[in-house]
Amino acid sequence: QLQLQESGPGLVKPSETLSLTCTVSGGSISSSDYYWDWIRQPPGKGLEWIGSIYYGGHTYYNPSLKSRVTISIHTSRNQFSLKLSSVTAADTAVYFCASEALTRMVRGVIPNFDYWGQGTLVTVSS
Amino acid sequence: IQLTQSPSSLSASVGDRVTITCRASQGISSYLAWYQQKPGKAPKLLIYAASTLQSGVPSRFSGSGSGTDFTLTISSLQPEDFATYYCQQLINYPRTFGQGTKVEIK
Repeated sequence: QLQLQESGPGLVKPSETLSLTCTVSGGSISSSDYYWDWIRQPPGKGLEWIGSIYYGGHTYYNPSLKSRVTISIHTSRNQFSLKLSSVTAADTAVYFCASEALTRMVRGVIPNFDYWGQGTLVTVSS
Repeated sequence: IQLTQSPSSLSASVGDRVTITCRASQGISSYLAWYQQKPGKAPKLLIYAASTLQSGVPSRFSGSGSGTDFTLTISSLQPEDFATYYCQQLINYPRTFGQGTKVEIK
């Protein structure tokens, strides 16, 4: 089964760029059966989807963050990464990476987020 | 697509039957998943395709619905089920989650 692990700085200054990496083990990030996603959760609040990437490099972003987000995939290292620019205190959150399985069923391909990293808290503060 | 869960929180006892609803702002067929999240932990997939139980998830969890109205049912609440539950739509982008339902001990 897949295992995902986030890594990166836990503290970022306002106006700077947040950078996180997700390392995937137990499977190949080049699999055509998965998208790779980033999700965040501000302290005490709900889940917000940030964006996703396919092994070929195609990306989808949340329109609310699109102007500041870049998700990249690094197949040789079995990793994908998140960059969020011009951060403010509102970007303080636990950031999760997750695998989005493209499950083939009789009714078609049904996605679901089957494996998640443990999450990493990123605080934006000077 | 906006997802609205109800209730936002509930208190229940061990052994109770618990039902959580999720309503979508437009039809999403069966492209709905349910997750359980405990404090300090990542969400865990329970149900996908509205009603398919993820491998390893106890059979007391079940999901139903299609279109705009969905339910997650826990047939007999166990101590380890006290957590927050989220629904998620996966028919289009951006992926969106409901606001969560916190299940607390009565």
